[in-house]
Amino acid sequence: EVQLVESGGGVVQPGGSLRLSCAASGFTFDDYAMHWVRQAPGKGLEWVSLISGDGGSTYYADSVKGRFTISRDNSKNSLYLQMNSLRTEDTALYYCAALHIVVVTAPYWGQGTLVTVSS
Amino acid sequence: SYELTQPPSVSVSPGQTARITCSGDALPKQYAYWYQQKPGQAPVLVIYKDSERPSGIPERFSGSSSGTTVTLTISGVQAEDEADYYCQSADSSGTCWVFGGGTKLTVL
Repeated sequence: EVQLVESGGGVVQPGGSLRLSCAASGFTFDDYAMHWVRQAPGKGLEWVSLISGDGGSTYYADSVKGRFTISRDNSKNSLYLQMNSLRTEDTALYYCAALHIVVVTAPYWGQGTLVTVSS
Repeated sequence: SYELTQPPSVSVSPGQTARITCSGDALPKQYAYWYQQKPGQAPVLVIYKDSERPSGIPERFSGSSSGTTVTLTISGVQAEDEADYYCQSADSSGTCWVFGGGTKLTVL
């Protein structure tokens, strides 16, 4: 059974940092590009970041560029999102998602972890 | 930056057909995906690769593509289909994901 389980969310003050993790199981992790997607309360879905299967390429939404860093450890089947200089507008439910690199199949999604940036 | 455009809301009566559109310049080159999201729940994929239906998704959900517009069609709408629906695709390079603003489907 495929599972993506996010963790690491919590409450942090503006300007603070947080590191999210996503533990993957049930599929060959390094065959998949990994994404972070977020959803602010009452708002739509927003793509945040992407990392290639081997971790060699990363991409970011303009709203987080220079503040967030995506990484992965294929030996641990894990994805990470280091979030620095957090702003109140970063408050959201953060989802990780996996998409096969070669074959166009249905992507896998986790259930999300909540990040609240508030003083 | 690249955008996908959806209508904010669609309303239909039970048993009727609901059509939700999504427009974007790169859609002729990039596949579209559709997600259903009910309050307090994570998004659920209902269509991928423009028109493929994941296992477990009812046959009344279908997808189609024509030029710069993709369409999610729900035939014989049921009360349980009331939800927000999001289209998702990629930019012209095929790397970064893009989401539409979402469409609230109301079953009258």
